[in-house]
Amino acid sequence: DGGITQSPKYLFRKEGQNVTLSCEQNLNHDAMYWYRQDPGQGLRLIYYSQIVNDFQKGDIAEGYSVSREKKESFPLTVTSAQKNPTAFYLCATSRPSTNYGYTFGSGTRLTVV
Amino acid sequence: AQSVTQPDIHITVSEGASLELRCNYSYGATPYLFWYVQSPGQGLQLLLKYFSGDTLVQGIKGFEAEFKRSQSSFNLRKPSVHWSDAAEYFCAVVAYSGGYQKVTFGTGTKLQVIP
Repeated sequence: DGGITQSPKYLFRKEGQNVTLSCEQNLNHDAMYWYRQDPGQGLRLIYYSQIVNDFQKGDIAEGYSVSREKKESFPLTVTSAQKNPTAFYLCATSRPSTNYGYTFGSGTRLTVV
Repeated sequence: AQSVTQPDIHITVSEGASLELRCNYSYGATPYLFWYVQSPGQGLQLLLKYFSGDTLVQGIKGFEAEFKRSQSSFNLRKPSVHWSDAAEYFCAVVAYSGGYQKVTFGTGTKLQVIP
């Protein structure tokens, strides 16, 4: 079955560390997105990408970085510059020219220890 | 820029009772609107969507939503709630910018279902 795989499901980061969250899809969707979810704040867009080797900053990109070397993969790195990284991170995909909405992965919960 | 408001942070209903979750949007053009549902610790699942045409749209799990342009609303309804409907619900509006589908989400409404 086609879908989105986010790994790991739980991740713990020490102060000053960079960590990378994985997002892999086999839906053949062109566009991929990273959202951060905090209680009471809904989902906020971090980065998005429509094609390989191209990505754009979202509303809260500071302290994050991404790459899009393959259509199937859109990893997110949470750098030490992100001062409050504890959150639930969601990856999503879409077909940019149609109106099917997003397909979401099951998320990664990142906690700073 | 588009925005979405879900005025109810938390709603409690009895199992078997009817449900209405409110959503108001702000967008300059004809909106594309969605409702998503999220179970704890999971991703979001699409319930239904509105793009044009019939203003009453049907979705999965027995949900429906009505688009009212005059009120800038897209409220989600279900005639009889089941305990398994307990989850968080997000309304969203889509805008296209530079070929990208950018979605703006509301802050969510958490639904509790009591026996």
